[in-house]
Amino acid sequence: AQSVAQPEDQVNVAEGNPLTVKCTYSVSGNPYLFWYVQYPNRGLQFLLKYITGDNLVKGSYGFEAEFNKSQTSFHLKKPSALVSDSALYFCAVREPPQSGGSYIPTFGRGTSLIVHP
Amino acid sequence: NAGVTQTPKFQVLKTGQSMTLQCAQDMNHEYMSWYRQDPGMGLRLIHYSVGAGITDQGEVPNGYNVSRSTTEDFPLRLLSAAPSQTSVYFCASSPAGITTGQPQHFGDGTRLSIL
Repeated sequence: AQSVAQPEDQVNVAEGNPLTVKCTYSVSGNPYLFWYVQYPNRGLQFLLKYITGDNLVKGSYGFEAEFNKSQTSFHLKKPSALVSDSALYFCAVREPPQSGGSYIPTFGRGTSLIVHP
Repeated sequence: NAGVTQTPKFQVLKTGQSMTLQCAQDMNHEYMSWYRQDPGMGLRLIHYSVGAGITDQGEVPNGYNVSRSTTEDFPLRLLSAAPSQTSVYFCASSPAGITTGQPQHFGDGTRLSIL
């Protein structure tokens, strides 16, 4: 079974400061990992993914995420936060090919990011 | 491209009523899924489909039915609405991408209240 944990319900950061939104996962084999963002009254939008290769992946709007296999983590980061980054962020995991599963991702509970001016 | 379109955007039902939430995508995606989003619970998978004519249950399927007669459409049916089904419902689609890990495209949701 695959699962995702986002240990923080809310993250507060001042504009211009770096931000980190945490995610840990559990899956058999090498994970496929995703981050999505949700703005109020909208659906989720894809930010970035890790499939294989470089542990640091870059995505939309200046976001990046670091894959750490030993810690089973995939934390979302941004060097300098903007007020407009305030939103709900979801981490998702999917099992690798040949696992025989549905290949439908499992999502975390979400972390509300609040960037203060 | 419209992407993933969900209708209606808002709906209020009485307990025991039935209704269908519509979802259509114009990207020729094989995979389609229905999720419900509740405060503090994240997104929970209700049903999914890996292609026309193929559906399967997710984490919380009870009280819901789906069918996939075409690639484009994936309606979600509430058989007899209950207050516990008050939620925001999202439909998502993606190419199969088993080896490439294609991300999902989401609709803007249907906000459903059951009185």
